[in-house]
Amino acid sequence: GENVEQHPSTLSVQEGDSAVIKCTYSDSASNYFPWYKQELGKRPQLIIDIRSNVGEKKDQRIAVTLNKTAKHFSLHITETQPEDSAVYFCAAPTYNDMRFGAGTRLTVKP
Amino acid sequence: NAGVTQTPKFQVLKTGQSMTLQCAQDMNHNSMYWYRQDPGMGLRLIYYSASEGTTDKGEVPNGYNVSRLNKREFSLRLESAAPSQTSVYFCASTLGQGINSPLHFGNGTRLTVT
Repeated sequence: GENVEQHPSTLSVQEGDSAVIKCTYSDSASNYFPWYKQELGKRPQLIIDIRSNVGEKKDQRIAVTLNKTAKHFSLHITETQPEDSAVYFCAAPTYNDMRFGAGTRLTVKP
Repeated sequence: NAGVTQTPKFQVLKTGQSMTLQCAQDMNHNSMYWYRQDPGMGLRLIYYSASEGTTDKGEVPNGYNVSRLNKREFSLRLESAAPSQTSVYFCASTLGQGINSPLHFGNGTRLTVT
């Protein structure tokens, strides 16, 4: 089955800096790669996703890049703000299951 | 439009007790899922239902059963709770019948088994 490795497990940045979270996956048939943000005590919510026919997607301060050959994809957050503090999960599909990374706890210091 | 609604929000059980977690979605989604979330382990799939009338095991199904009551509702049952089932449980749904579109999560059920 699919294995999804996510790094780093914790990340602390100064407000205004950039943050990068990386994930690798094992199933070469995977073709959809979402990122979820989970604030403390809340549900995970989709923030951005990318399909395998594109290499990069941007939405304001958030971008995701995909390298299908190397089987890795990354989340980039620019101009970080304190409200970006949360746990971020990457995911990749395998048949009828979405396998999640273990999560990255991002802290943005004012 | 409530999205995905889960009940209860919190539950404490003694070892051996049973309970059912309820989930309903009003987005006319085909597929529904039950995940558990444990610290440092992300979300792991317990059971899923790709369409009304079908259910299948996920990564960690032992100790659980599910029922897809109709297109809207998907329940998770613990027949004999164990401390290892202490976790936060999330129900989710998605429009398609494959896992290649966004998951919409409920607010979760925090379960403690003593």
